[in-house]
Amino acid sequence: QQQVKQSPQSLIVQKGGISIINCAYENTAFDYFPWYQQFPGKGPALLIAIRPDVSEKKEGRFTISFNKSAKQFSLHIMDSQPGDSATYFCAASPLSGNTGKLIFGQGTTLQVKP
Amino acid sequence: EAGVAQSPRYKIIEKRQSVAFWCNPISGHATLYWYQQILGQGPKLLIQFQNNGVVDDSQLPKDRFSAERLKGVDSTLKIQPAKLEDSAVYLCASSSLQGWTDTQYFGPGTRLTVL
Repeated sequence: QQQVKQSPQSLIVQKGGISIINCAYENTAFDYFPWYQQFPGKGPALLIAIRPDVSEKKEGRFTISFNKSAKQFSLHIMDSQPGDSATYFCAASPLSGNTGKLIFGQGTTLQVKP
Repeated sequence: EAGVAQSPRYKIIEKRQSVAFWCNPISGHATLYWYQQILGQGPKLLIQFQNNGVVDDSQLPKDRFSAERLKGVDSTLKIQPAKLEDSAVYLCASSSLQGWTDTQYFGPGTRLTVL
């Protein structure tokens, strides 16, 4: 119930293409869904986040699509660039406790080929 | 604004030895988190502090792991004795948690190798 399942594990995209990473959750108490980007040797950094009261959020080339009924959300990276090559983690935070605790997915390693 | 500082960046120890990691959060951030990130996996929360009090330590292996944040600022995480399966990157994060969706800022982590 506390898990967040992420796919694919790895992804190779050509420069200019669209990268799509999917996540699914079971716990309906999750109420905050951020995506983090991690470069080798660095800590994760927040990329974009969404609440379940909206179905889509866009920031530049990055878009989160959220399907509350299916309990799924995805990250779309438009016009993917070599500099986007990194590991991406989806996460979810449960409403109860108001602690900000994040449950992370397993991660997707993205490689954008020039 | 300075980020979350962690030290050391790398540590190699033998199993059954002890080790300690240090974290200095972003100035003014009341909430501090320690995560364990095993290779190929997402970070897993070990313990969360609000000021110097523990909010959540449900996934901290308390028989060998301990953490403290005595003055509500920097924090130390200790492992004693270490096991092979403790090999991981230990990440510290902080947030101001003014709203529960507040951003968590991560440090670069400490990579621990247990031989």
